[in-house]
Amino acid sequence: GQQLNQSPQSMFIQEGEDVSMNCTSSSIFNTWLWYKQEPGEGPVLLIALYKAGELTSNGRLTAQFGITRKDSFLNISASIPSDVGIYFCAGLTSGTYKYIFGTGTRLKVLA
Amino acid sequence: DGGITQSPKYLFRKEGQNVTLSCEQNLNHDAMYWYRQDPGQGLRLIYYSQIVNDFQKGDIAEGYSVSREKKESFPLTVTSAQKNPTAFYLCASSMAGGPRTDTQYFGPGTRLTVL
Repeated sequence: GQQLNQSPQSMFIQEGEDVSMNCTSSSIFNTWLWYKQEPGEGPVLLIALYKAGELTSNGRLTAQFGITRKDSFLNISASIPSDVGIYFCAGLTSGTYKYIFGTGTRLKVLA
Repeated sequence: DGGITQSPKYLFRKEGQNVTLSCEQNLNHDAMYWYRQDPGQGLRLIYYSQIVNDFQKGDIAEGYSVSREKKESFPLTVTSAQKNPTAFYLCASSMAGGPRTDTQYFGPGTRLTVL
């Protein structure tokens, strides 16, 4: 099945650093979602985006819906140890119910 | 308390046996989904249902079956035909159809181990 290209695949950063990751698609989406998954748990929805160019924040997290509608970005500012996990993006085309997921970015924060 | 529940959290099964994983949601969502996740991997869609009494195969439906008799429930049966059933199974539901409403939420998952 189709998967979105998500990069980087993994990141090791120092506590306090900012983090950037992105997701790209060959298809246009009308909705972009960003999730965080911790080991042994289900993904938790972080941010939902519905309009090209939209910039939405959730605490230290900020996500953007790309102008071309084929990409999305997630930034985490001033990382802390509890930010550790796998971050997934997901896209949806209007009128469909099948979400397409990214391959995930594994984040590790060094104290 | 609204959300998605999956039971059990851990499930063990002998090779050759069928097993059913439960998923219930009280979010009043129309659509429900089953995903499979292998260690260190992303999510792969098994089946999804847009409405009661209707469902569609996802990318890896072979060896699995589902039913959708009630809006709140979407059980997944892992049959003996599934060659590598050991995995983490995630159920999700979504609300869709209106502006700024497309969102998908996940349950806590069931880890199935075939002995």
